[in-house]
Amino acid sequence: GQQVQQSPASLVLQEGENAELQCNFSSTATQLQWFYQSPGGSLVSLLSNPSGTKHTGRLTSTTVTKERRSSLHISSSQTTDSGTYLCAIANNRIFFGDGTQLVVKP
Amino acid sequence: EAAVTQSPRSKVAVTGGKVTLSCHQTNNHDYMYWYRQDTGHGLRLIHYSYVADSTEKGDIPDGYKASRPSQENFSLILELASLSQTAVYFCATLGGPEQYFGPGTRLTVL
Repeated sequence: GQQVQQSPASLVLQEGENAELQCNFSSTATQLQWFYQSPGGSLVSLLSNPSGTKHTGRLTSTTVTKERRSSLHISSSQTTDSGTYLCAIANNRIFFGDGTQLVVKP
Repeated sequence: EAAVTQSPRSKVAVTGGKVTLSCHQTNNHDYMYWYRQDTGHGLRLIHYSYVADSTEKGDIPDGYKASRPSQENFSLILELASLSQTAVYFCATLGGPEQYFGPGTRLTVL
């Protein structure tokens, strides 16, 4: 089965709304990282958060290791936030989810 | 200044031809990875390496070879390219808790 499952698969918001993205994983993870992939395809690391809560700008990630889940909260969404958000875990190997496609409308 | 670079950035190859994708890093990281991404999907690990002159198979190694001649360079080789290998290929390095990605190579096999 898939090691990393992300939900929702896609999300459409109006600018200014908040987004909550979920990542569930089936094995223990020593590392967990959230990435943003632009419509052009480049990958950017957003947060590395194997446990607890981390903030950067309008992003907040909360990882509950025992429950094997992580969330990414985007506050006050902007049109430039549109793209795909990928969750990746690592123990001895690295696994990616299929991503959440976010569209923020003006 | 980009720490992980890939070349070429895009390539069109013919079925049965040989394709070499190159990756260069200035991070001085030990671990390097090759992933492929198909439209609408996440990344899948093809090969990786944790030291020069050594490579390991990832989750989908069939049809691919890898070469790590130095700390800085990691190549992905398709000896006989097939239609199913049309994808975007990403190289990455691992430093501490984070991975660093190259810009990707868009490969189209016709």
